[in-house]
Amino acid sequence: GAGVSQSPSNKVTEKGKDVELRCDPISGHTALYWYRQSLGQGLEFLIYFQGNSAPDKSGLPSDRFSAERTGGSVSTLTIQRTQQEDSAVYLCASRESGRPTEEQFFGPGTRLTVL
Amino acid sequence: GDSVTQMEGPVTLSEEAFLTINCTYTATGYPSLFWYVQYPGEGLQLLLKATKADDKGSNKGFEATYRKETTSFHLEKGSVQVSDSAVYFCALKNQGGKLIFGQGTELSVKP
Repeated sequence: GAGVSQSPSNKVTEKGKDVELRCDPISGHTALYWYRQSLGQGLEFLIYFQGNSAPDKSGLPSDRFSAERTGGSVSTLTIQRTQQEDSAVYLCASRESGRPTEEQFFGPGTRLTVL
Repeated sequence: GDSVTQMEGPVTLSEEAFLTINCTYTATGYPSLFWYVQYPGEGLQLLLKATKADDKGSNKGFEATYRKETTSFHLEKGSVQVSDSAVYFCALKNQGGKLIFGQGTELSVKP
């Protein structure tokens, strides 16, 4: 079946612009995660959605970052007033059930470059 | 807070060499432990996992044993292939379900 998809695959933007990154999780997966993979920082957790519960935003690095998950499916990560340090690969992952032990499946990522 | 430390790369080996990538962790409670692999141009894939102490995860010839006493989860393979060239990430899953990753170790296998 279809895996996690993300769009765009690459995004180049100018400093100060806003960007939106999209994630389509595996159908039926109730949990959705955003991570960031940047040079020198490794992989960092950003935000976690589980069903209709309030999202866990504890990993968002600043208030310029926000995310939504509409209808319990597609998620959009928005970065406002982008900075060069936001350049990274943004990864989305989804998980089937409410049990934290279930495997997370990752999308291919969106490579964001802020000039 | 919870954290994962893994050996720095890049690691360069000849084909059929023995591989060890060290990973140690710090966590409260009893986390599940994972190795993820990222092949060039591809997304992260789960390689293997272990959910409790002394469990051994294995897949594609790779193995790792959950050692609670040394808080380690070292990745090993007896004979690497060129196709194993990738970046390997050690991770723990804490009680909240978040994955905490190590920095990643790049492996390059030469023919």
